[in-house]
Amino acid sequence: GAVVSQHPSRVICKSGTSVKIECRSLDFQATTMFWYRQFPKQSLMLMATSNEGSKATYEQGVEKDKFLINHASLTLSTLTVTSAHPEDSSFYICSAVQDSAYTEAFFGQGTRLTVV
Amino acid sequence: GEDVEQSLFLSVREGDSSVINCTYTDSSSTYLYWYKQEPGAGLQLLTYIFSNMDMKQDQRLTVLLNKKDKHLSLRIADTQTGDSAIYFCAEKRSSASKIIFGSGTRLSIRP
Repeated sequence: GAVVSQHPSRVICKSGTSVKIECRSLDFQATTMFWYRQFPKQSLMLMATSNEGSKATYEQGVEKDKFLINHASLTLSTLTVTSAHPEDSSFYICSAVQDSAYTEAFFGQGTRLTVV
Repeated sequence: GEDVEQSLFLSVREGDSSVINCTYTDSSSTYLYWYKQEPGAGLQLLTYIFSNMDMKQDQRLTVLLNKKDKHLSLRIADTQTGDSAIYFCAEKRSSASKIIFGSGTRLSIRP
């Protein structure tokens, strides 16, 4: 299957700082990427849908000014957690698809964010 | 609603079959998926089934779909210790491009 690389896999940052997480599709062009958040022992909650060249669509309850998403190319989407606080500590996972009529979404390996 | 529901835990003896169940609410679902997540890792797609199918088998995995009851199951034959993980049921609807996940079922294997 296609490969999606997420970086970094683990990051610790101080409260109040910003953290950028990258999601790259390595061997295909991804018109759409999805960003999920997973709390311990819980399911994946969709945060936003990112389409190349346009603004991301955020799910209800997700602060767009706090979780900045940029999808500047067909192989890269970034999620920036701005002014991070301990409650933002979580596991963030991206997935990428080739087009909106996709069958299979390919997932990154996830990023463990710890805010201290 | 957007609910995809699963039981949270399942414990089986090594060598037995595991059956993980899932119910969903949206009849417009086009694809239904089973993903596996090991600790600290991303998601691995195990298998998926198109909504006009009743069954799909792939080696030790069998997926059954009852569209009338909106019920999906994953059967793992000859369960091994390496099957210990969280299994997520998920659906993709024709009306949206996003995938909605269930709560996940934690499968544990006992000797």
